[in-house]
Amino acid sequence: DGGITQSPKYLFRKEGQNVTLSCEQNLNHDAMYWYRQDPGQGLRLIYYSQIVNDFQKGDIAEGYSVSREKKESFPLTVTSAQKNPTAFYLCASSIRTGDYGYTFGSGTRLTVV
Amino acid sequence: QKEVEQNSGPLSVPEGAIASLNCTYSDRGSQSFFWYRQYSGKSPELIMSIYSNGDKEDGRFTAQLNKASQYVSLLIRDSQPSDSATYLCAVNLEGYGNKLVFGAGTILRVKS
Repeated sequence: DGGITQSPKYLFRKEGQNVTLSCEQNLNHDAMYWYRQDPGQGLRLIYYSQIVNDFQKGDIAEGYSVSREKKESFPLTVTSAQKNPTAFYLCASSIRTGDYGYTFGSGTRLTVV
Repeated sequence: QKEVEQNSGPLSVPEGAIASLNCTYSDRGSQSFFWYRQYSGKSPELIMSIYSNGDKEDGRFTAQLNKASQYVSLLIRDSQPSDSATYLCAVNLEGYGNKLVFGAGTILRVKS
């Protein structure tokens, strides 16, 4: 079955530590996105990529980094520069940017300990 | 003014009633509109898409679009307790690089 796989489901980070969240899709979608969701809040765009080897900052990119070396994969690194990283992180993909709905992965819940 | 606005709720309806969820958006050039359902602790799931003015029906769900009024709604007929979730409206905004902008969501509670 086609879909998006995010791992791990739960992640705990110590202060000053970088962590990487995995996102893999087998839908053959060109575009991929990373969102952050805080309790009771909407989705905020962190980074997006329209094509391999290209990505753009979203609304809240500070403290995060991404790469898009393969069409299927779009990992997100939460760096120590992100001062408030505790949140629910969602990866999504779409055929292309434009008039297409997004398919979401199951999410990674990151907690700073 | 937020680009995509929804009433946060909660909207409470009795089982079997019609639930009406509303969304307004700011970009007159928007061409595609989506409704997502998100259960607590889970990721959003696409339930409806609409591109043309009027109504689009899929089972118990009807999406309604009025581009002149910049308004999109979702009706859920014969509401069930399993419909209790947060419903997110998403709009493709030309001014946002043709990406989806999500509303903050409306919490729906269906009481049995």
